[in-house]
Amino acid sequence: QVQLVESGGGVVQPGGSLRLSCAASGFTFSSYGMHWVRQAPGKGLEWVAFIRDDGSTKYYADSVKGRFTISRDISKNTLYLQMSSLSAEDTAVYFCVGESSSRAFDHWGQGTLVTVSS
Amino acid sequence: DIQMTQSPSSLSASVGDRVTITCRASQSISSYLNWYQQKPGKAPKLLIYAASSLQSGVPSRFSGSGSGTDFTLTISSLQPEDFAGYYCQQSYSTPRTFGQGTKLEIK
Repeated sequence: QVQLVESGGGVVQPGGSLRLSCAASGFTFSSYGMHWVRQAPGKGLEWVAFIRDDGSTKYYADSVKGRFTISRDISKNTLYLQMSSLSAEDTAVYFCVGESSSRAFDHWGQGTLVTVSS
Repeated sequence: DIQMTQSPSSLSASVGDRVTITCRASQSISSYLNWYQQKPGKAPKLLIYAASSLQSGVPSRFSGSGSGTDFTLTISSLQPEDFAGYYCQQSYSTPRTFGQGTKLEIK
């Protein structure tokens, strides 16, 4: 079955960096555009970043542009999110998400919590 | 960026009720509108894609309609497991913006 398993979350100090990983299985990872979506505690869903299936195109939310980098390793079926210059506003559960050919988010990971705090 | 406005932000209803949640886009998005359900502590789950297509495995009491800027999600007869959060999302352009969410609570 389809699985997206995030890892790498944790507590980091303001200004610090963290790299999230998302291991994919059960579907053709190389054919899917992939996103990161986050959800601050008690808040709604916020789209963060996108990478095209072949990695050729990347987009970022204005709130993370210049600080976050999305990437993927097709050989490892893994999606990454490198985060730097973190602030309290980045505290959230980060979900790895696959977008289907119908342009819907049909595959979701369980999420990994990032807490930015001193 | 396309702004998505959902209403209501919260809703109290009873088992068996018919409920409707609306979503409005700040510009036309054709039928590129998806609906998700989220339960506490869980990842969102796709319910409806392309405005009105039911995702595989989703009960038929869920339905979606609309095109252009105005969309609705309808639950025909609420079941206990339907009390959750609901989000609309446009997939017309990037960023893939979400509505602010609707919390459906038991009356």
